[in-house]
Amino acid sequence: AQSVSQHNHHVILSEAASLELGCNYSYGGTVNLFWYVQYPGQHLQLLLKYFSGDPLVKGIKGFEAEFIKSKFSFNLRKPSVQWSDTAEYFCAVTPFKASGTYKYIFGTGTRLKVLA
Amino acid sequence: ETGVTQSPTHLIKTRGQQVTLRCSSQSGHNTVSWYQQALGQGPQFIFQYYREEENGRGNFPPRFSGLQFPNYSSELNVNALELDDSALYLCASSSAGASSYEQYFGPGTRLTVT
Repeated sequence: AQSVSQHNHHVILSEAASLELGCNYSYGGTVNLFWYVQYPGQHLQLLLKYFSGDPLVKGIKGFEAEFIKSKFSFNLRKPSVQWSDTAEYFCAVTPFKASGTYKYIFGTGTRLKVLA
Repeated sequence: ETGVTQSPTHLIKTRGQQVTLRCSSQSGHNTVSWYQQALGQGPQFIFQYYREEENGRGNFPPRFSGLQFPNYSSELNVNALELDDSALYLCASSSAGASSYEQYFGPGTRLTVT
């Protein structure tokens, strides 16, 4: 069965620290990859996505992620976190389809708390 | 551009009752997906609707059903509620055939079953 693992369930960092959140998926075929963020009291918002091409993708608010196909990984990074990055982060995978509809498979999420 | 909206925001029901949750998709989107997010978990795919028909379903029993209307809005119905159905229910809209494969999420409906 397809699944997504996020290894860190809770992360606490001080402002200006670097962040890396792990994400691994299990699916043998081509996938589309996403990171979503859920700020307190807000709905899920897209941070970044990977479909093809350069495996290093940049998203909003200084976030980036690297797709390593051989490791089935799509880790999220940010060089210097801010207090406002406190949120829950979800990795999601969808098997590639040439067109039409698809479903997301989400990881269990990582709660990030940034201390001011 | 209007985003995805869901109603109601919160709902409390008793075990065995039935509930209907509603979703209006983002302007220009023709596909709606529903997810269940239990406390401390990531969203789990329930099903997806495209052109008013179910187009894919996750591991949820038949008492979870849905509808999509000609204006692409959607309903999620849950019969014979169980305590474990307590969760945040998320609706996401997208455009079938779009190259972005991106889904846009609503704020969710928090369902509590007592």
